[in-house]
Amino acid sequence: DTAVSQTPKYLVTQMGNDKSIKCEQNLGHDTMYWYKQDSKKFLKIMFSYNNKELIINETVPNRFSPKSPDKAHLNLHINSLELGDSAVYFCASSQGLAGVGQFFGPGTRLTVL
Amino acid sequence: GQQLNQSPQSMFIQEGEDVSMNCTSSSIFNTWLWYKQDPGEGPVLLIALYKAGELTSNGRLTAQFGITRKDSFLNISASIPSDVGIYFCAGILTGGGNKLTFGTGTQLKVEL
Repeated sequence: DTAVSQTPKYLVTQMGNDKSIKCEQNLGHDTMYWYKQDSKKFLKIMFSYNNKELIINETVPNRFSPKSPDKAHLNLHINSLELGDSAVYFCASSQGLAGVGQFFGPGTRLTVL
Repeated sequence: GQQLNQSPQSMFIQEGEDVSMNCTSSSIFNTWLWYKQDPGEGPVLLIALYKAGELTSNGRLTAQFGITRKDSFLNISASIPSDVGIYFCAGILTGGGNKLTFGTGTQLKVEL
């Protein structure tokens, strides 16, 4: 009965590799988000999608490409990983575009070596 | 860009004590939210505030939306060990996708 799930939970990889993180929500929400939390716990939005349409793109390097195959899924693909990409990435979902009532997933800890 | 500063950055308190933390912004927000993040988990919404001056409670938690719309505070009464975690404020400015801007966080540690 998980509301927002992410896979994998942990991801360790070498610089230069390409990796993907998957997110699924079973809440019936129409809006999904990706956030990055750095080592100082600062949380910053990266992207949001509403009904599979990109709404927010917060000047994230174009090595990051979100893909929303349907309303319940928002995946994050990262090309040419860099050391600075190491962080915890959170997926979230909400109903509507008001921004309130976002449910967060458990996070994916990405470590780039 | 907008920045939300929270204080204190961290605090140690005794079980049973009341706790206060606040959040200030250089910009006005239309909605203020307070989240709690447990270790290894995502943030969980505690309280949402929609109007300047609004005071809202959720159990032992009370939060207020500042009159200037540039600040908010959160009080926790009679703290218990499970209150440990990081508390984040977040603001929403209507328009521009209604994105959440998070504060810098207050880490709460409770001594038994």
